[in-house]
Amino acid sequence: NAGVTQTPKFQVLKTGQSMTLQCAQDMNHEYMSWYRQDPGMGLRLIHYSVGAGITDQGEVPNGYNVSRSTTEDFPLRLLSAAPSQTSVYFCASSYGAGPTDTQYFGPGTRLTVL
Amino acid sequence: DAKTTQPNSMESNEEEPVHLPCNHSTISGTDYIHWYRQLPSQGPEYVIHGLTSNVNNRMASLAIAEDRKSSTLILHRATLRDAAVYYCILRSSSGGTSYGKLTFGQGTILTVHP
Repeated sequence: NAGVTQTPKFQVLKTGQSMTLQCAQDMNHEYMSWYRQDPGMGLRLIHYSVGAGITDQGEVPNGYNVSRSTTEDFPLRLLSAAPSQTSVYFCASSYGAGPTDTQYFGPGTRLTVL
Repeated sequence: DAKTTQPNSMESNEEEPVHLPCNHSTISGTDYIHWYRQLPSQGPEYVIHGLTSNVNNRMASLAIAEDRKSSTLILHRATLRDAAVYYCILRSSSGGTSYGKLTFGQGTILTVHP
């Protein structure tokens, strides 16, 4: 299994540009989520999905869109990039969203917005 | 959500045991105690979790106080590869807005000296 994969690893955008961060998992996990991590801070939840066709907002959803058309993929779209979105983005997946379900994280995408 | 408190940093020597404390005085009876760690430039990875009893796995042990207001992650013989940020996280089984979410604090930065 490849686990959770994310592309690209690094990205530089100009203010106002849009882009999509890709996330895929091959573990047949229903629950997927996106976090961002700012320097020296813990991770914060952006959006999550409990299954194909179902998404919901997390703690910091503004400026981001998600969709879940398949179990495997959960892309994160930045609609109009802003310098405040400079961060490292992590995708995670788990079999379920219960309190004992282990979450598996991808390697991250480091995004800089100029 | 119940809050956790961890020391900002700890140091250890290689091949010595490490005890990483976590206080969670407002924990509810159905909150599970999870530990994740984040190696440099990587996504978080699951370490261990428990509810009431002490737990062991191949990576670490988790000691939970009888009143559950604190817990300790024990690395029995630290290696250089264990240098990471360790996060103590409570996961509720009550669902609602906490559904699936991992709430990351600042964590404890563990430095391991050769």
